[in-house]
Amino acid sequence: AQTVTQSQPEMSVQEAETVTLSCTYDTSESDYYLFWYKQPPSRQMILVIRQEAYKQQNATENRFSVNFQKAAKSFSLKISDSQLGDAAMYFCAYRRETSGSRLTFGEGTQLTVNP
Amino acid sequence: DARVTQTPRDKVTEMGQEVTMRCQPILGHNTVFWYRQTMMQGLELLAYFRNRAPLDDSGMPKDRFSAEMPDATLATLKIQPSEPRDSAVYFCASGLASKGTREGPGTGELFFGEGSRLTVL
Repeated sequence: AQTVTQSQPEMSVQEAETVTLSCTYDTSESDYYLFWYKQPPSRQMILVIRQEAYKQQNATENRFSVNFQKAAKSFSLKISDSQLGDAAMYFCAYRRETSGSRLTFGEGTQLTVNP
Repeated sequence: DARVTQTPRDKVTEMGQEVTMRCQPILGHNTVFWYRQTMMQGLELLAYFRNRAPLDDSGMPKDRFSAEMPDATLATLKIQPSEPRDSAVYFCASGLASKGTREGPGTGELFFGEGSRLTVL
């Protein structure tokens, strides 16, 4: 079974600084997808970024980027120029390549952004 | 603006009562997932459907929980009888499963509703 681990229950960052959230996963599959979801206090789950395992290039979305290390099964999220609105719970998630399969989530990292 | 709609947003009930949560997936999506979120367990998959057929409900306590899709526009999660340990936020998510290529619709992510917060007293 696939597992996803986020070893940092809480992180904090100063506004405008950069922060990196860690995620590791375990799988025997070679093709899969990795995601970072953001959950603000409104509790809405918002997709931040997606990475396909077959792509070597790290995904980027504006201020958000990932460091995908397939051999190490590591998938960290970097938030640059942190903003107050980035404060939220962040979940790393894994999905097999099979279309329509489930998401397996990590435990989450609570990010605080200090003004 | 297509989105997953869940009702109720918040529900407080007494132990032993029946609770029904409803979800309207995004039109055209053919997979529907029910997740439960608690502080202790995080996000757990309860059940999911593809083309309205249940694919996996192994995460769901069978004696009191049931999940159905009466039609393509409605998914329901029912708890009967409810217990205090069922208190949680229940999320519905939908997505599009297809035989698309790696660059195509088969790589679609899940879209989540706003969740139903259930409190069982």
